[in-house]
Amino acid sequence: NAGVMQNPRHLVRRRGQEARLRCSPMKGHSHVYWYRQLPEEGLKFMVYLQKENIIDESGMPKERFSAEFPKEGPSILRIQQVVRGDSAAYFCASSTGLGGNQPQHFGDGTRLSIL
Amino acid sequence: SQQGEEDPQALSIQEGENATMNCSYKTSINNLQWYRQNSGRGLVHLILIRSNEREKHSGRLRVTLDTSKKSSSLLITASRAADTASYFCATKLEETSGSRLTFGEGTQLTVNP
Repeated sequence: NAGVMQNPRHLVRRRGQEARLRCSPMKGHSHVYWYRQLPEEGLKFMVYLQKENIIDESGMPKERFSAEFPKEGPSILRIQQVVRGDSAAYFCASSTGLGGNQPQHFGDGTRLSIL
Repeated sequence: SQQGEEDPQALSIQEGENATMNCSYKTSINNLQWYRQNSGRGLVHLILIRSNEREKHSGRLRVTLDTSKKSSSLLITASRAADTASYFCATKLEETSGSRLTFGEGTQLTVNP
């Protein structure tokens, strides 16, 4: 019974390159959340998706960031033209979405480093 | 200040002692959750307490919620070295969609053997 799987665990990019972060939710979960964590800080919400739909992207920067959760395959968080300030740990969580009182299950994150 | 602030920021205790962490929040919530994060890992869900509940237990964990004061506490009894981790409270706000959570900055707990 695999949990939330994120890959890669570590990603190094140079300024201006693109970063693609993948997340496979737990089996049976159709709701995916992406969060960003800077060192020594809590997690900050970025985007909430269901299959083929973006439900809430109020935490996403307006430019360079996008997310998708296709009918088949993992959810993807894409960062174009990365800058040093994008360096952070990016966590994906999933839930069943059956009402708001469901815990979220987190992956181990992708640590993005920008050179 | 932010929704979901933990207090203290850091706590160091001896094995066997109890550890208490507090969390305050600002707006109305559906529920409040506590998570644990070991260094370099993702968050592990510990306990969820709904807005109409006042106390919940799970093993050595006890969580209280006071909605009139907009605060919660997490008590870990008989602590162990393996409890060393960061602990975060997270709130599910009434006005937000799905299960979106708003996290505090965390309490770093160190349990010395």
